[in-house]
Amino acid sequence: GAGVSQTPSNKVTEKGKYVELRCDPISGHTALYWYRQSLGQGPEFLIYFQGTGAADDSGLPNDRFFAVRPEGSVSTLKIQRTERGDSAVYLCASSSSLRRASMDEQFFGPGTRLTVL
Amino acid sequence: DAKTTQPTSMDCAEGRAANLPCNHSTISGNEYVYWYRQIHSQGPQYIIHGLKNNETNEMASLIITEDRKSSTLILPHATLRDTAVYYCIVRVANDYKLSFGAGTTVTVRA
Repeated sequence: GAGVSQTPSNKVTEKGKYVELRCDPISGHTALYWYRQSLGQGPEFLIYFQGTGAADDSGLPNDRFFAVRPEGSVSTLKIQRTERGDSAVYLCASSSSLRRASMDEQFFGPGTRLTVL
Repeated sequence: DAKTTQPTSMDCAEGRAANLPCNHSTISGNEYVYWYRQIHSQGPQYIIHGLKNNETNEMASLIITEDRKSSTLILPHATLRDTAVYYCIVRVANDYKLSFGAGTTVTVRA
């Protein structure tokens, strides 16, 4: 079946511009996560959605970052006034349920590589 | 404050078993050990997880010491496609976050 997809695969923008990154989770997965991965490091948690609501956005670095999931499926990560330090790979993951979270396997997409010039 | 310690890198021979160590000396009783791997230019992929018993699936085996302060991921017959960064993660039950460290870069050589 189809896995998690992310678009675009690559995004190059200029400092100060606004960008949107899209994530299509596996159909039926209620939980969705965004992570950010800088070069040479492991992914870092940004935000977690359960259904339509952001259950935890504690990983968002500042108020330039915002994410939505209006219908409980597709999610968009939005970055305003981009800075060069925002350059990274943005990863999205989804999982099926939190009732047995210890068993939850997160399925990751291939990521969007964001470059801010 | 890293909860796990892994070697930065390791090489292994194709067809041989690869044994990847992980130290988690401060692990709590309700924390699980998870392993993910990330092949170049792809997202992380779940491998296996365990609490205190050894676990095996089609990808790997997980051996957890009796005191749970360390574990070893075993790839029984490494192939070139197993070349990746392997992450050992300690995760509290019902915690949705995965806290990745730097992982171990494993290179399988022919």
